[in-house]
Amino acid sequence: AQTVTQSQPEMSVQEAETVTLSCTYDTSENNYYLFWYKQPPSRQMILVIRQEAYKQQNATENRFSVNFQKAAKSFSLKISDSQLGDTAMYFCAFMKPNTGANSKLTFGKGITLSVRP
Amino acid sequence: ETGVTQSPTHLIKTRGQQVTLRCSSQSGHNTVSWYQQALGQGPQFIFQYYREEENGRGNFPPRFSGLQFPNYSSELNVNALELDDSALYLCASSGDSLNTEAFFGQGTRLTVV
Repeated sequence: AQTVTQSQPEMSVQEAETVTLSCTYDTSENNYYLFWYKQPPSRQMILVIRQEAYKQQNATENRFSVNFQKAAKSFSLKISDSQLGDTAMYFCAFMKPNTGANSKLTFGKGITLSVRP
Repeated sequence: ETGVTQSPTHLIKTRGQQVTLRCSSQSGHNTVSWYQQALGQGPQFIFQYYREEENGRGNFPPRFSGLQFPNYSSELNVNALELDDSALYLCASSGDSLNTEAFFGQGTRLTVV
């Protein structure tokens, strides 16, 4: 079974600064996907970024980038130029791909990020 | 907006009652997954439906059951409600490609009193 650990319950960052959110996971699989999801107070889970384990290059999406260390089973999210709208809960998630249908997501406990004006 | 809609948005039930939550998947998606998110926790996988068949189940008792319709919308039913069933229930729809993103609805907040 897979586990995802987010050990920081909350973080705070000044607007325009950079912040890094940590995540570690445990799996015996070699092929899998990792995700960071954002959940604002509106409750809707929004995909921030995705990383395929077979890709060595770290994924980037505008101000969001990851540091994927497969051997260490670490998957951190860096948010650059933080904005007030980044205030939300952030969840790290793991997925083992199934053929025929997407497999389930295994989530960490999440981290509450507050961006200060 | 993701195109995934859940209803109702909130509801309050009494312990022992039964509840049905609904989810309309995004157009073109044939897979629906349900998650339970307790307050301050990450979502926990309940089960997944793919083309009207259950395609995997998490560690939830049989009181939790589901259904997927030919239009790929889905229902989550919970019988004999317990206080610990109070949570946000999230539905996610996706296609059957490995590269298809899962899109979440805004959830149903269930309170059991």
